[in-house]
Amino acid sequence: EADIYQTPRYLVIGTGKKITLECSQTMGHDKMYWYQQDPGMELHLIHYSYGVNSTEKGDLSSESTVSRIRTEHFPLTLESARPSHTSQYLCASMSPSGGELFFGEGSRLTVL
Amino acid sequence: DQQVKQNSPSLSVQEGRISILNCDYTNSMFDYFLWYKKYPAEGPTFLISISSIKDKNEDGRFTVFLNKSAKHLSLHIVPSQPGDSAVYFCAASGLSGTYKYIFGTGTRLKVLA
Repeated sequence: EADIYQTPRYLVIGTGKKITLECSQTMGHDKMYWYQQDPGMELHLIHYSYGVNSTEKGDLSSESTVSRIRTEHFPLTLESARPSHTSQYLCASMSPSGGELFFGEGSRLTVL
Repeated sequence: DQQVKQNSPSLSVQEGRISILNCDYTNSMFDYFLWYKKYPAEGPTFLISISSIKDKNEDGRFTVFLNKSAKHLSLHIVPSQPGDSAVYFCAASGLSGTYKYIFGTGTRLKVLA
């Protein structure tokens, strides 16, 4: 059973606010990912990390940024939220064998 | 251009019958495939995987078939249960050198009681 946690689960904020979506895992996985999903659409990779102090942008351009100071923690930050950032954000980590992705429950962000 | 396609946005099946969800891919470098199930407002849950060295993998009621020449995989659920109603995503990765998965758009399965 995977142990990966995301907070907040739901967030409604006004335009221009700074927000941080938290993601933590207790499995010691090096590889972590952020996906963005709009209703009825595929999951788009926006950021990934293969270890501490390593972060890369994903296939979908995003105005968000990430950091990886500790293995277990991979937060995502939006400096100035806009309505176009309204989406579900899913954090995941990968087992060392390189197979399965373990997902958190997601953070649903609504920007008014 | 979408590299992983799930062309059926939705599927309805009677309880007890077989559900078949399809997935096509375009990149022949993909060598590992996953299926996930997702309920609204929750994260995806892993169901089953298959490596390109196999053409079938089975886990309980779930079986995944891979046809490499057709670049096609399918997920069979037998027998289907109302609790299987969810959105199903397939994902593909080329593990040699990359650890990133490309996801399809999902198929919404509804199992009717």
